[in-house]
Amino acid sequence: NFMLTQPHSVSESPGKTVTISCTRSSGSIASNYVQWYQQRPGSAPTTVIYEDNQRPSGVPDRFSGSIDSSSNSASLTISGLKTEDEADYYCQSYDSSNQLGVFGGGTKLTVL
Amino acid sequence: EVQLVESGGGLVQPGGSLRLSCAASGFTFSSYWMSWVRQAPGKGLEWVANIKQDGSEKYYVDSVKGRFTISRDNAKNSLYLQMNSLRAEDTAVYYCARDTPLYSGYAGYWGQGTLVTVSS
Repeated sequence: NFMLTQPHSVSESPGKTVTISCTRSSGSIASNYVQWYQQRPGSAPTTVIYEDNQRPSGVPDRFSGSIDSSSNSASLTISGLKTEDEADYYCQSYDSSNQLGVFGGGTKLTVL
Repeated sequence: EVQLVESGGGLVQPGGSLRLSCAASGFTFSSYWMSWVRQAPGKGLEWVANIKQDGSEKYYVDSVKGRFTISRDNAKNSLYLQMNSLRAEDTAVYYCARDTPLYSGYAGYWGQGTLVTVSS
């Protein structure tokens, strides 16, 4: 089993760029795809990035994902921040040892 | 349009049982892995269980093994979660999620969730 660690919170101003990290505790980050979900208060999560760096249709190209094997981490980058991007963001990967998904603890993004 | 609609949540006493349902539409249900994910109040997301297209493979998080059972009825386009011996720590919003045809581990679509409260 492994854990995914995210910063508890990040904040940035509108129009700027923010990057949220997700570090895998053991095993290679490249072993299994990483997804990123956005969750606004009172709503279900929605996918913003899947399979490391793919955007579902309808997600603006301001959202991008990447993985870095040297730091064993994944990153979600949001450019041209808008107030509507304010939400909780969760990274997620797959644990082959128990055949289940595993989530990071979530990062609260504040756009102020 | 993909739609997942959960039902069956509510208030139940510790030790009690509840059966959650998820009605799927807008896609070929029998072609996808399906999962249940929960979120305790004010907390993060936790993957609870998943099930293969034909029900031949099912996996559970350790904390619910032996108490929860995931199942599906492809003829009714429905996913279920039977929850027995419920504990206070099972209190959460339970989401039904659609995985992919090839593998579980990417919850591409989510329902709106159903709240389960375990309390005396």
